[in-house]
Amino acid sequence: EDQVTQSPEALRLQEGESSSLNCSYTVSGLRGLFWYRQDPGKGPEFLFTLYSAGEEKEKERLKATLTKKESFLHITAPKPEDSATYLCAVQAGAGGTSYGKLTFGQGTILTVHP
Amino acid sequence: GAVVSQHPSRVICKSGTSVKIECRSLDFQATTMFWYRQFPKQSLMLMATSNEGSKATYEQGVEKDKFLINHASLTLSTLTVTSAHPEDSSFYICSARDRGRPNSPLHFGNGTRLTVT
Repeated sequence: EDQVTQSPEALRLQEGESSSLNCSYTVSGLRGLFWYRQDPGKGPEFLFTLYSAGEEKEKERLKATLTKKESFLHITAPKPEDSATYLCAVQAGAGGTSYGKLTFGQGTILTVHP
Repeated sequence: GAVVSQHPSRVICKSGTSVKIECRSLDFQATTMFWYRQFPKQSLMLMATSNEGSKATYEQGVEKDKFLINHASLTLSTLTVTSAHPEDSSFYICSARDRGRPNSPLHFGNGTRLTVT
């Protein structure tokens, strides 16, 4: 069974204080690892897809990296508007009628104080 | 970019009634759509996979007769919560992927907050 564990559950940062969020996973045949941002009362918003170990993606203050067992979302000099829940999800390579489904971690609630 | 529209955004219903939630892909076609449920301060749990033109695939523990899914076209899937009870109160979110871009990410609707009184 695919499993995704995110840590920490919650993270409070001061504006400008860089940090990292962790996503550990076990999956049978990783097809892709996804990072999403979710604001309260909204659906997840896509950030990154990572496909293979060693891959990195960047977008503004966010950088996602991937190893064979975990992914990190690095936040550099965060701003209050970066406050949200960050979700990690994996897509397995197995086929079948649920092909393409994502298994999510429980998320990290990030709060950035001005 | 790919847009998924979900309607309604909020619904309050009485116990025992049924509620229908619509999920539309606005600028792409989706052979498969996924329905998730999210309880407060918890992550998204997959309920079922909606397949255009065929029966939905339900995850273990999800009652197919309670959560009816219809995927009648390549741009519309509906989830009907039948005989709703207070424990069905949750945030329901649908997602879809452009069938013309199989390696693209899943895009999510903005969810439906269901409250059963």
